[in-house]
Amino acid sequence: GQNIDQPTEMTATEGAIVQINCTYQTSGFNGLFWYQQHAGEAPTFLSYNVLDGLEEKGRFSSFLSRSKGYSYLLLKELQMKDSASYLCAVRFTGGGNKLTFGTGTQLKVEL
Amino acid sequence: KAGVTQTPRYLIKTRGQQVTLSCSPISGHRSVSWYQQTPGQGLQFLFEYFSETQRNKGNFPGRFSGRQFSNSRSEMNVSTLELGDSALYLCASSPGQLEPHEQYFGPGTRLTVT
Repeated sequence: GQNIDQPTEMTATEGAIVQINCTYQTSGFNGLFWYQQHAGEAPTFLSYNVLDGLEEKGRFSSFLSRSKGYSYLLLKELQMKDSASYLCAVRFTGGGNKLTFGTGTQLKVEL
Repeated sequence: KAGVTQTPRYLIKTRGQQVTLSCSPISGHRSVSWYQQTPGQGLQFLFEYFSETQRNKGNFPGRFSGRQFSNSRSEMNVSTLELGDSALYLCASSPGQLEPHEQYFGPGTRLTVT
């Protein structure tokens, strides 16, 4: 199978840092995406990793280790508006644009 | 540049009926993918169309079908609706190049089957 695993829920404090982990099966890996989805809205693209290492984009960073089948999304200086579901998605070879999604991590940012 | 548009935004149907949903990708994008999102299963891939051809298909029954027109607009059809088909249906467009980096999602069509 091509299971994508991520925690169901996380809670963090405004201004803090939170790390959301994602693990996947390594066979056929061809890129990993992170999306943010607010309730009732469409997913919006956050980051893309295909090589090992850290990709930084403002307050958000994403890390990938292909050998371990592991990625994380790091959110710094948390704001209330960051409360949302964060979706990890993997593209596998031979699948064209097909993305296999995890069930999402619901992040709640508290005061 | 206009984003991905989907129509209708909301739809209520009864069991046994059929439904057609429409998706217009970002101008210049040639790939359209469809996903079903439910609370229990998350986002699941239905199919992808590129240049009017189905390029990939997910694990859904034959009641789910789609097509793409020459202007890249896509439609998906669900026949003989079941209660379990109630979901948010999302389409995503991308340029369709060999190694696209992003897919842009539309706002979705919320389908309720009663």
